[in-house]
Amino acid sequence: DAGITQSPRHKVTETGTPVTLRCHQTENHRYMYWYRQDPGHGLRLIHYSYGVKDTDKGEVSDGYSVSRSKTEDFLLTLESATSSQTSVYFCAISDSGLAGGRPNTDTQYFGPGTRLTVL
Amino acid sequence: DQQVKQNSPSLSVQEGRISILNCDYTNSMFDYFLWYKKYPAEGPTFLISISSIKDKNEDGRFTVFLNKSAKHLSLHIVPSQPGDSAVYFCAASAPGAGSYQLTFGKGTKLSVIP
Repeated sequence: DAGITQSPRHKVTETGTPVTLRCHQTENHRYMYWYRQDPGHGLRLIHYSYGVKDTDKGEVSDGYSVSRSKTEDFLLTLESATSSQTSVYFCAISDSGLAGGRPNTDTQYFGPGTRLTVL
Repeated sequence: DQQVKQNSPSLSVQEGRISILNCDYTNSMFDYFLWYKKYPAEGPTFLISISSIKDKNEDGRFTVFLNKSAKHLSLHIVPSQPGDSAVYFCAASAPGAGSYQLTFGKGTKLSVIP
């Protein structure tokens, strides 16, 4: 299994509070992703990173920000949590084995997930 | 607009028989497809993938078939085992801008009955 951990694994918070989720990898993979999984929606990309300090928005980025100051860590922040952000959040990593290779043709390995409940 | 569709939310199959999970897509730019398997309370795990230059890819009990003209792919599991009971997600990607993004279907829950 790829070395990906997520913390915390479970969190309950109140509306309006800031929340930060952490993804940590030991694989030295270049690309990191944050997804959310909701019933009836499958997995949706929130933000991704293609290198240290290089990030971009995904399909459902509103209300979320990310930071990547080190290769191994990718943080997802909810500045002011809302009930609509109650979800299971997954981090994923991938790497391009060949120079110029497309990162999304490489397997994405997922972390165990963080279940976030916003009351 | 859902670009990757898994129209069957659930599927039940007898142990030892074939499981066939289906996936349709609408974006003709998709050229790489993956299947992921997910157990409850765990992250998705990669199962098998296929490039659009192929129409079949096999890995042990798992085979993925791609029909580009119909924009359809399927995952065959033979023989099915109780440990295969999980949610299966189909995913697709396209080259160019946004190529980092995998577009996932909503998943099909497979139950293999002993």
